[in-house]
Amino acid sequence: GAVVSQHPSWVICKSGTSVKIECRSLDFQATTMFWYRQFPKQSLMLMATSNEGSKATYEQGVEKDKFLINHASLTLSTLTVTSAHPEDSSFYICSARDPYIQYFGAGTRLSVL
Amino acid sequence: QQPVQSPQAVILREGEDAVINCSSSKALYSVHWYRQKHGEAPVFLMILLKGGEQKGHDKISASFNEKKQQSSLYLTASQLSYSGTYFCGTEVRRDDKIIFGKGTRLHILP
Repeated sequence: GAVVSQHPSWVICKSGTSVKIECRSLDFQATTMFWYRQFPKQSLMLMATSNEGSKATYEQGVEKDKFLINHASLTLSTLTVTSAHPEDSSFYICSARDPYIQYFGAGTRLSVL
Repeated sequence: QQPVQSPQAVILREGEDAVINCSSSKALYSVHWYRQKHGEAPVFLMILLKGGEQKGHDKISASFNEKKQQSSLYLTASQLSYSGTYFCGTEVRRDDKIIFGKGTRLHILP
């Protein structure tokens, strides 16, 4: 199957700093990528849909100014968690569709101290 | 709207069969099934499209009742490697976002 690469896999940061997470489709082009957030033993909650060349579409309740998404090319989307706080600690996972199947990255575990 | 999965959890012995169900209150275009192991990303298992087309895994089967907006995932002769949390995701239109259920935890005992 197609490969989606996500970096970093784990990041620990101080409260108030910003963290950037990268999501790349390695062997296919993805006009649309998705960002999910997952708390322990819970479901995958869709945060936003990232569209190449246009603004992301955020789900209800997700703060656009806190979670900045940029889909700069057909193979790269980034999620920046701005001014991170301990409550932002979570497992963030990206995915890309090719073309029917949605493939997931390995996820990024964010811990904010 | 989030699909409803049942059961929430199931424990089996190796070699036994399991069925996981997924239902939606909305008309669906497709149903997607994934398995996630602890600390890892979800892995694609199966997609069922409106009209009966299926794409997926050789050792796992699934059904999609379009009239009832229900899907079931069938795991036969379960192996230890089948342990994990199974998520169904539903899509109401082609190329739309996928909304995932709360998951079904499957634990296989030797």
